[in-house]
Amino acid sequence: DSGVTQTPKHLITATGQRVTLRCSPRSGDLSVYWYQQSLDQGLQFLIQYYNGEERAKGNILERFSAQQFPDLHSELNLSSLELGDSALYFCASSTGGVNTEAFFGQGTRLTVV
Amino acid sequence: KNQVEQSPQSLIILEGKNCTLQCNYTVSPFSNLRWYKQDTGRGPVSLTIMTFSENTKSNGRYTATLDADTKQSSLHITASQLSDSASYICVVTGFQTGANNLFFGTGTRLTVIP
Repeated sequence: DSGVTQTPKHLITATGQRVTLRCSPRSGDLSVYWYQQSLDQGLQFLIQYYNGEERAKGNILERFSAQQFPDLHSELNLSSLELGDSALYFCASSTGGVNTEAFFGQGTRLTVV
Repeated sequence: KNQVEQSPQSLIILEGKNCTLQCNYTVSPFSNLRWYKQDTGRGPVSLTIMTFSENTKSNGRYTATLDADTKQSSLHITASQLSDSASYICVVTGFQTGANNLFFGTGTRLTVIP
């Protein structure tokens, strides 16, 4: 158990819909990262938050947004969903320090039908 | 540009055989390098970590090496087992706090067959 909790584990929704993925980081971790992993692909960095502030953006679509709340949990919002958005979405957390290690949640598998 | 490249993309080996996975990076300044194992459909789990001053680190049948001068790392798996079938991801941490200082390779997918 990495200490990072993601909910829900599975999500099936129709095209055009909007979903929210939730991540609770390890206790004490200030940094939260979101990654997308499509079938047989590597981890694609989406966005990072550090202590409530957006710190870095990767290849995140405009239809996607995220935020980190004062209690440090984070939510990834995906809207106007398309079939190609079907993927595993991972959240990772770290202290954000120099020798930081990223601890990953078990992911949310999103299926858009 | 900070990049991490892994090779090969995929590898199939017989159970009991050894294999070596490669990771080259351009991340600078460099803080540490980790190898993660990702079972299908699950989150990556850290296998080893090496800082600038370390050039080898073992974790059971897994041995990682690091050459910080050439910016290359390898992960050697000995006496492979069927449970080693997974993706192995090289992650390099840059020397920045609070920013996105984690750079991921796309992974090597290892399949161990009986």
